[in-house]
Amino acid sequence: GNSVTQMEGPVTLSEEAFLTINCTYTATGYPSLFWYVQYPGEGLQLLLKATKADDKGSNKGFEATYRKETTSFHLEKGSVQVSDSAVYFCALSDEGVWETSGSRLTFGEGTQLTVNP
Amino acid sequence: SAVISQKPSRDICQRGTSLTIQCQVDSQVTMMFWYRQQPGQSLTLIATANQGSEATYESGFVIDKFPISRPNLTFSTLTVSNMSPEDSSIYLCSVPGGSETQYFGPGTRLLVL
Repeated sequence: GNSVTQMEGPVTLSEEAFLTINCTYTATGYPSLFWYVQYPGEGLQLLLKATKADDKGSNKGFEATYRKETTSFHLEKGSVQVSDSAVYFCALSDEGVWETSGSRLTFGEGTQLTVNP
Repeated sequence: SAVISQKPSRDICQRGTSLTIQCQVDSQVTMMFWYRQQPGQSLTLIATANQGSEATYESGFVIDKFPISRPNLTFSTLTVSNMSPEDSSIYLCSVPGGSETQYFGPGTRLLVL
């Protein structure tokens, strides 16, 4: 079955530091890949996504590139801010089932990021 | 985008009791999803709830333990029955967005003593 593996957390950085959160996946076919973020006390929000190999998703200064050869979708940001403190989830959706089942998202374990001023 | 609210936001319950979690969406949606996030673990899909039909449960989840109602296109409930400490989790509902995305509610934090 599908699976997603994220780097273990928590991650603590100083403001303006470079961020990488690793994500690798196992799936059949060509899933779409996502990063969701959960700010304290809030629900998960879609941060960015990529639907095919070599696509780069980006939003709010975060980027992730769909690497089929390494089955990875690492999240990066060049300069983090205190407001980026949150839990980040890597996820994939089953190829081809969206229209029939709406979604079957498989999530990684989540990585807690704390950014200190 | 969809705005989703859940009630209660958190609760502490005694083992053997049941808790019903409500999920309200600000627009009509065909499908609603219920997830569980156990401490330190990833989100796991419990079931998909379609209005007017029985919910579809994922492997490892059964209707007797997690009965779901879906009375209309904007509302669903998930009941956690005969609770044990292992049911302590965050329970989230979500609805499909566009392009394979989902919108999530804020979650219900449940602690079973």
